[in-house]
Amino acid sequence: SQQGEEDPQALSIQEGENATMNCSYKTSINNLQWYRQNSGRGLVHLILIRSNEREKHSGRLRVTLDTSKKSSSLLITASRAADTASYFCATDSTNDYKLSFGAGTTVTVRA
Amino acid sequence: DAMVIQNPRYQVTQFGKPVTLSCSQTLNHNVMYWYQQKSSQAPKLLFHYYDKDFNNEADTPDNFQSRRPNTSFCFLDIRSPGLGDAAMYLCATSRGRTGGQETQYFGPGTRLLVL
Repeated sequence: SQQGEEDPQALSIQEGENATMNCSYKTSINNLQWYRQNSGRGLVHLILIRSNEREKHSGRLRVTLDTSKKSSSLLITASRAADTASYFCATDSTNDYKLSFGAGTTVTVRA
Repeated sequence: DAMVIQNPRYQVTQFGKPVTLSCSQTLNHNVMYWYQQKSSQAPKLLFHYYDKDFNNEADTPDNFQSRRPNTSFCFLDIRSPGLGDAAMYLCATSRGRTGGQETQYFGPGTRLLVL
């Protein structure tokens, strides 16, 4: 079942601006992951944050996790046209082995 | 350098005509997954193999079957495709299946069209 839900569904920004998207989930988790999907392609893993972490960085990506609010955010700084894609959060649960993906946020970066 | 390969990239089939999608991996991962993804929706897990151990999701229709003859290959068989089965089918692998600790590596997907 789908546990994560992303917000907003779609986002359009100018090149160079920052893009922020949020993920909310329902049950306790061990870890939360973010994936990117370019149009018509498979998903690519971006970053994993553990339940005992609050913030993580990878290049131009910054992920936060607030387990008390059951939410996470993904920030892409200084966006580029190549960042145009759909971004999905994926959660496990403390008693399950599998990942549940949200419906994604579609980001369009305008040149 | 391709790690998870899916063939074909596009598949057209007729209503009710069996179709097989294939996936291969060069990562030597223990776990292989099949997801169905419809337009603007989340990938939905159909089933996975942990080595030779097959694990079906409770809501996966009987119409969908899978085979994993060896570590490298996994197949998705749709016995009688309906119009509602038109979707992108994604194959993924992971080293283990400890849920969210494992990164999943995805293939490029096969887009299935049912006429």
